[in-house]
Amino acid sequence: GAGVSQSPSNKVTEKGKDVELRCDPISGHTALYWYRQSLGQGLEFLIYFQGNSAPDKSGLPSDRFSAERTGGSVSTLTIQRTQQEDSAVYLCASSLHGTEAQYFGPGTRLLVL
Amino acid sequence: QKEVEQNSGPLSVPEGAIASLNCTYSDRGSQSFFWYRQYSGKSPELIMFIYSNGDKEDGRFTAQLNKASQYVSLLIRDSQPSDSATYLCAVNKFGQNFVFGPGTRLSVLP
Repeated sequence: GAGVSQSPSNKVTEKGKDVELRCDPISGHTALYWYRQSLGQGLEFLIYFQGNSAPDKSGLPSDRFSAERTGGSVSTLTIQRTQQEDSAVYLCASSLHGTEAQYFGPGTRLLVL
Repeated sequence: QKEVEQNSGPLSVPEGAIASLNCTYSDRGSQSFFWYRQYSGKSPELIMFIYSNGDKEDGRFTAQLNKASQYVSLLIRDSQPSDSATYLCAVNKFGQNFVFGPGTRLSVLP
């Protein structure tokens, strides 16, 4: 079946602009995760959605970052007033019920000029 | 104390040797354990998962779990240059978020 998809695959924006990154999880997966990975670094957890529960937003680095998940499926990560330090790969993953393995999408490479 | 720890490497092994990757975790209540491989410029891909103490084998890969010692390892037999990547350990407790380690970079030398 189809895996996790993300769009766009690459995004170049100017400092101060807002960007929206999209994630389509594997069908039927109730858990969805966003991570950020800077060049040569490990995974930085951002936010975790599990079913209808309140999301775990503990990893969001600032109030410029927000995410929503509509209808328990597609998720959008929004970064407002982008800064150069936001440049990274943004990875989305999904898990069947949040206890089984996570499966990652291909990522969105964000470059803020 | 970091929740999940791994040696950053690089770990270098000759082709055909056994590569041993180690991971320790701090939460004794952790219940499921995962190994991911990440090639440069790519996203992580699942290699194996293990839930019970002992060994679990899948082809050239063996995961080993020791909950008493809070230790999980991944052995790669007959290492190939194509195994050169960063290996991420992840730990999960039911109902809670996954915690990933920083990863170990493996280099298999031809």
